[in-house]
Amino acid sequence: AQKITQTQPGMFVQEKEAVTLDCTYDTSDPSYGLFWYKQPSSGEMIFLIYQGSYDQQNATEGRYSLNFQKARKSANLVISASQLGDSAMYFCAMRVRGAGSYQLTFGKGTKLSVIP
Amino acid sequence: KAGVTQTPRYLIKTRGQQVTLSCSPISGHRSVSWYQQTPGQGLQFLFEYFSETQRNKGNFPGRFSGRQFSNSRSEMNVSTLELGDSALYLCASSSTSDGFDEQFFGPGTRLTVL
Repeated sequence: AQKITQTQPGMFVQEKEAVTLDCTYDTSDPSYGLFWYKQPSSGEMIFLIYQGSYDQQNATEGRYSLNFQKARKSANLVISASQLGDSAMYFCAMRVRGAGSYQLTFGKGTKLSVIP
Repeated sequence: KAGVTQTPRYLIKTRGQQVTLSCSPISGHRSVSWYQQTPGQGLQFLFEYFSETQRNKGNFPGRFSGRQFSNSRSEMNVSTLELGDSALYLCASSSTSDGFDEQFFGPGTRLTVL
């Protein structure tokens, strides 16, 4: 079975500062993908960034980067230059390539609050 | 290109009733997944459909069912509603069959069971 752990229920960051949201995962499957989603209070899940288990480089998308440490089974999200609009819930998720398994397994999420 | 749409956005039902939620994926997407989100259990996978076939089902009772039509639109049905079924139901679509592309989520249907 797959498991995603997000140990920070809530975080505060000053506007324009960088912040790291932690995510650790557990799977025995060698082929998997890791995703980060943002969920504002409106409820919609917004895709931020993806990292494949065989990718050599850490993924980056604009102000978002994924710090992928395979040996430690961690996939932390780094947001640079935080903005007020970054205040939201952030979810780490995983998908494995095992037979018949197409669902995303989500962590409990981290609520990020950006302070002006 | 239009995004994933879900109808209705809000729904209030009473215990024992049944409900049908609808999801229209992004044009060209053949995979549709459903998730339930509650404060206590978080985001949980319900089921996934690809080309009208259910490929995977989460750990939910048989009261939860779904289907997908030939145009990839999907519906999920919950029969004999319970208070614990109150949740945000999210639908997601993706274009490929291997499950490693981005899943685009809809705005969700917020179901309240009284």
